[in-house]
Amino acid sequence: AQSVTQLGSHVSVSEGALVLLRCNYSSSVPPYLFWYVQYPNQGLQLLLKYTTGATLVKGINGFEAEFKKSETSFHLTKPSAHMSDAAEYFCAVISSGTYKYIFGTGTRLKVLA
Amino acid sequence: NAGVTQTPKFQVLKTGQSMTLQCAQDMNHNSMYWYRQDPGMGLRLIYYSASEGTTDKGEVPNGYNVSRLNKREFSLRLESAAPSQTSVYFCASIENRRSTDTQYFGPGTRLTVL
Repeated sequence: AQSVTQLGSHVSVSEGALVLLRCNYSSSVPPYLFWYVQYPNQGLQLLLKYTTGATLVKGINGFEAEFKKSETSFHLTKPSAHMSDAAEYFCAVISSGTYKYIFGTGTRLKVLA
Repeated sequence: NAGVTQTPKFQVLKTGQSMTLQCAQDMNHNSMYWYRQDPGMGLRLIYYSASEGTTDKGEVPNGYNVSRLNKREFSLRLESAAPSQTSVYFCASIENRRSTDTQYFGPGTRLTVL
């Protein structure tokens, strides 16, 4: 069975500091991995996704994530946090041939001035 | 192009009342989903419809029914609401039946059951 674990339900960083949000997955088959962002009172929108090919994936708003099969991880990073990055971030996994996405419990990012 | 729309945005029900949450997408997507979001639990899949005319249970289907009315619309019905169904409900759609497709989410319906 697939699962996703996001370490840290709340993360605080200073404006301009590195953002690192952790995601580990469990899957018996090669997974497809996604990061979604949710701004207050809105639905989720895609930040980036890994399907096949290059393991370093670049997304919108300067975010990127690296798929590390040996570590079963797909951590999200951004070199320099901006106040507008404050939101909740969800990691999700799905296996090829299925339609059921499994979401992590989310990490709320706070950016301090 | 409105994307995924949901109605209503907010709803308060009394225990035992029924209601239907509406979802529509104008992107000609094939697959549609209903999730609930609860604090500390992320999103949990209630039901999904891989294509028009088909529906399948997700992780937490008890207490809910769905209808894929046509390709555009996918409704979620609570026949007898319970306080445990207080949640934020999101509808989502994807273009095709490929696992790599991006999900597009609606703005959500905030439901309170008293």
